[in-house]
Amino acid sequence: GAGVSQSPRYKVAKRGQDVALRCDPISGHVSLFWYQQALGQGPEFLTYFQNEAQLDKSGLPSDRFFAERPEGSVSTLKIQRTQQEDSAVYLCASSSKPNTGELFFGEGSRLTVL
Amino acid sequence: SQQGEEDPQALSIQEGENATMNCSYKTSINNLQWYRQNSGRGLVHLILIRSNEREKHSGRLRVTLDTSKKSSSLLITASRAADTASYFCATVPYNNNDMRFGAGTRLTVKP
Repeated sequence: GAGVSQSPRYKVAKRGQDVALRCDPISGHVSLFWYQQALGQGPEFLTYFQNEAQLDKSGLPSDRFFAERPEGSVSTLKIQRTQQEDSAVYLCASSSKPNTGELFFGEGSRLTVL
Repeated sequence: SQQGEEDPQALSIQEGENATMNCSYKTSINNLQWYRQNSGRGLVHLILIRSNEREKHSGRLRVTLDTSKKSSSLLITASRAADTASYFCATVPYNNNDMRFGAGTRLTVKP
């Protein structure tokens, strides 16, 4: 597609449920980032992929969070046993360069945990 | 944790006035970027300035970078109501690939 696509745009989960958020980056982009954005705050780095390799996952808040990009294109962010504090917008971004370049963001997936 | 800190947190001006936002950061950087976010939307890249550059222009935007003070500023000249948004600075460190954002400046331009 022309831009970064994220799905679902909105997700409501009951506490304890597992959720999966999908990101389709711009075709050919080697770099892919996941960010978490709380209301009124800036994006907080979660993890970074270069092609299929997860080079940095230092921002994942707990072992309940898991991200993958098995074929170096589509990525999935999985959150197990969701908690209320996981409620946020999850942003995906991709870049054509392996590092330092301009990021193209999706519209985000808004997760609400009840 | 976030790398940059924007100042002010919120700014309200009249249409036609200039808006200046500042960003401070902590570590050595490869480059610094500014992004804009409209409410409920994703971020949009505005401008990138490399560590060896001091000033850069793009349309009504002017960005400065002072690496000795670890700070940057974004100036929007002749603001318009459509410039109302949140503005974030993002830094790319030398020693790794991740990009970290500040908490943002929420700009309101009144018509």
